[in-house]
Amino acid sequence: AQSVTQLDSHVSVSEGTPVLLRCNYSSSYSPSLFWYVQHPNKGLQLLLKYTSAATLVKGINGFEAEFKKSETSFHLTKPSAHMSDAAEYFCVVSGSGTSYGKLTFGQGTILTVHP
Amino acid sequence: GAGVSQSPSNKVTEKGKDVELRCDPISGHTALYWYRQSLGQGLEFLIYFQGNSAPDKSGLPSDRFSAERTGGSVSTLTIQRTQQEDSAVYLCASSLVWGSNEKLFFGSGTQLSVL
Repeated sequence: AQSVTQLDSHVSVSEGTPVLLRCNYSSSYSPSLFWYVQHPNKGLQLLLKYTSAATLVKGINGFEAEFKKSETSFHLTKPSAHMSDAAEYFCVVSGSGTSYGKLTFGQGTILTVHP
Repeated sequence: GAGVSQSPSNKVTEKGKDVELRCDPISGHTALYWYRQSLGQGLEFLIYFQGNSAPDKSGLPSDRFSAERTGGSVSTLTIQRTQQEDSAVYLCASSLVWGSNEKLFFGSGTQLSVL
């Protein structure tokens, strides 16, 4: 079975400063990993995904994430935060084997961006 | 349609009543997923469909929950004899094909409140 842990429930940054949202995963197989973002009163949107190609994955809106197998981590980063980045972010791991097609979500990290 | 559509957007019901939640996936998407997001919790997988069949029903919380999909399109999630702990946002997602690497498109959800 797979699982994912987001290490921070809330992250607060100032506009223009770097963003780091931390995620650790557990999977019996080589996982596919995703980051989704949910803006207030909107549906979930895919930011980026890792599927065993390049370990550094670039997504939309300047976000990127690095897959580190030795650390079982998939942290999300952005060099410079923008006010529009304020949202809730979910780290997601996909199932394999008998759980193929099943996504497991982390608890979410709420990102607040201050002017 | 242009996106995944869920109805109703809000549902208030009394404990013990049955409710039906509807999901219209993106046209042509063969895979459909149901998730539940409770207050303060991450997203919880409920069930997914590949076409009209549901290979994995392990996420349904109890036998009061059921889901069906007909014609490879619309899906209905039914909760019988609702309980207060069923209060949550129920999210539907679809993808073009079934697979752990596929991009999911999410609806805006149905907010269910059980009084």
